[in-house]
Amino acid sequence: GQQLNQSPQSMFIQEGEDVSMNCTSSSIFNTWLWYKQDPGEGPVLLIALYKAGELTSNGRLTAQFGITRKDSFLNISASIPSDVGIYFCAGQPRRGSNYKLTFGKGTLLTVNP
Amino acid sequence: NAGVTQTPKFQVLKTGQSMTLQCAQDMNHEYMSWYRQDPGMGLRLIHYSVGAGITDQGEVPNGYNVSRSTTEDFPLRLLSAAPSQTSVYFCASSYGTSGTPDTQYFGPGTRLTVL
Repeated sequence: GQQLNQSPQSMFIQEGEDVSMNCTSSSIFNTWLWYKQDPGEGPVLLIALYKAGELTSNGRLTAQFGITRKDSFLNISASIPSDVGIYFCAGQPRRGSNYKLTFGKGTLLTVNP
Repeated sequence: NAGVTQTPKFQVLKTGQSMTLQCAQDMNHEYMSWYRQDPGMGLRLIHYSVGAGITDQGEVPNGYNVSRSTTEDFPLRLLSAAPSQTSVYFCASSYGTSGTPDTQYFGPGTRLTVL
């Protein structure tokens, strides 16, 4: 099946630092999604990307849909302690097929106050 | 709206036992899915449904059954539990092709241990 390679696996940073993580795929996706999971909770959508080359922001978060449709990037600026959690990228084959997401293995983010 | 609800929150089973994980949503979503999450593995799709009476297999369907008799409910059945099914199970729902946003909403999860 399709696989998403997400990196890094974990990050330990100081409060105020910027964070970057990325996801690459062996095949094309027409929608890229970024989720955050807090301990003991289900994933919550942060950003959705629908067009190749698209750059979208949500507060301190910025994500980009790669031109090749095989990758995506998430940046977090000026990290704060509540940014702690696991960040997942997810790919969706086409618009409307959101019942069938393929997830990366996640990036565990730790922020030191 | 309660969103996506899952019961139970925690469950311990012995090998060979059967049980049903419950999932319900009150958002009139057309699509529903079940995922399992294992350490370092991300979420993997077990089964999904695009409407009442319609289900299909995902990436890891073996050992699980589903049915969708109503729009609101999508239970996941373990017929004969095995230790390899120890995991955290998430149910998700979303609007169909005619709805927005085009994304899934996840429940809080069920933590299952099979001894």
